[in-house]
Amino acid sequence: DAGVTQSPTHLIKTRGQQVTLRCSPKSGHDTVSWYQQALGQGPQFIFQYYEEEERQRGNFPDRFSGHQFPNYSSELNVNALLLGDSALYLCASSLMTGPGETQYFGPGTRLLVL
Amino acid sequence: RKEVEQDPGPFNVPEGATVAFNCTYSNSASQSFFWYRQDCRKEPKLLMSVYSSGNEDGRFTAQLNRASQYISLLIRDSKLSDSATYLCVVHRAAGYSGAGSYQLTFGKGTKLSVIP
Repeated sequence: DAGVTQSPTHLIKTRGQQVTLRCSPKSGHDTVSWYQQALGQGPQFIFQYYEEEERQRGNFPDRFSGHQFPNYSSELNVNALLLGDSALYLCASSLMTGPGETQYFGPGTRLLVL
Repeated sequence: RKEVEQDPGPFNVPEGATVAFNCTYSNSASQSFFWYRQDCRKEPKLLMSVYSSGNEDGRFTAQLNRASQYISLLIRDSKLSDSATYLCVVHRAAGYSGAGSYQLTFGKGTKLSVIP
């Protein structure tokens, strides 16, 4: 049973560029959440996708956008990259059933913005 | 005030010691509580859920006090392999949209180093 997978594992971009990160959820899961983890910080919630719609959004600007596909996989897009966007981007999958549902995390994508 | 607060540590303890981590949360609407473990440069992994009645999993005991909005994790007989960052996580219904829309809020984490 494949867990949550993310690609790429590492990425280097320059300020102003755009980036797309990808996530495939754990088999049987229908909900994907994205988090940003800066060095020394806990993960910060970006947004959550269910049934191909953004269901919840954290305190992130519109430069951060996403998409969920019919097969439940998801993309995170970040436009006009800033140095402060350098972080580990984590994808988590779960079933959209309730607050006790466990979220399983992928290995993350390390983004460095120069 | 941050929604989830933890002592960042580091906690440096000898093997075999008992160590306790504390966490407070500010949103009384929070519904579920967890401890996640994160190894260096790895993704967070669920360690255990936290219930008002308290729950134990081997050497790990978690406790929730809803009245005080306080969560704890106790690790007994520490092993070298317990060295990691422990993240306190709160799960709550978040605004919108139909059945079951929830989000996780993480603390900054508490770093534990178990020393031989």
